[in-house]
Amino acid sequence: QVQVVESGGGVVQPGRSLRLSCEPSGFTFRNYAMHWVRQAPGKGLEWVAVISYHGSNKYYADSVKGRFTIARDNSKNTLYLQMISLGPEDTAVYYCARDAAAAGMRGFDPWGQGTLVTVSS
Amino acid sequence: QSALTQPASVSGSPGQSITISCTGTSSDVGSDNYVSWYQQHPGKAPKLIIYDVSNRPSGVSNRFSGSKSGNTASLTISGLQAEDEADYYCFSYTDTSTLEGVFGGGTKLTVL
Repeated sequence: QVQVVESGGGVVQPGRSLRLSCEPSGFTFRNYAMHWVRQAPGKGLEWVAVISYHGSNKYYADSVKGRFTIARDNSKNTLYLQMISLGPEDTAVYYCARDAAAAGMRGFDPWGQGTLVTVSS
Repeated sequence: QSALTQPASVSGSPGQSITISCTGTSSDVGSDNYVSWYQQHPGKAPKLIIYDVSNRPSGVSNRFSGSKSGNTASLTISGLQAEDEADYYCFSYTDTSTLEGVFGGGTKLTVL
């Protein structure tokens, strides 16, 4: 079964850091680009970042550029999102999603169940 | 990276058809054929229902169809069912070489 599972969310104080992880299963992780997408409470989806299949190329939404870092370890089959200088505006459910282009579909599939990050003092 | 424009809400009765629009620019929706659509039920993760403008992943009902004209993509759901009540989001790459992209603001579908 093709799936991804996020972890690492929680409550963090403003200005602090947090690292999210995403573990895939059921597919060859190193063959796929991966994305992070977030959803603030009661709001829509926001694309956050993408990393190429080999990890050399990384791109970010303007709202997180300079504060968030996407990374992957293909030997450990894990995707990461390192977040620093967190603010209340970063409170959201964070989803990991596979870019399914290598499977012949230009879209995000599958998605994880999400991990909630709450930035609050 | 402005969000694509979707209507905030649409509604329809069981058995009817509805269409949700997704309007962007020549730099995103209008630039290639890689628009995708996602269905999200409350408290659940989004699910891919349309990719490459008009293709359905395996297992997705053929009641869902997609199209595009110029800078506007559309999702049509025919034969509405109660289970279709959900939020729907479109997505377009803004650069297919980098895979950066942008989502629409989302549309709440209510089945009356």
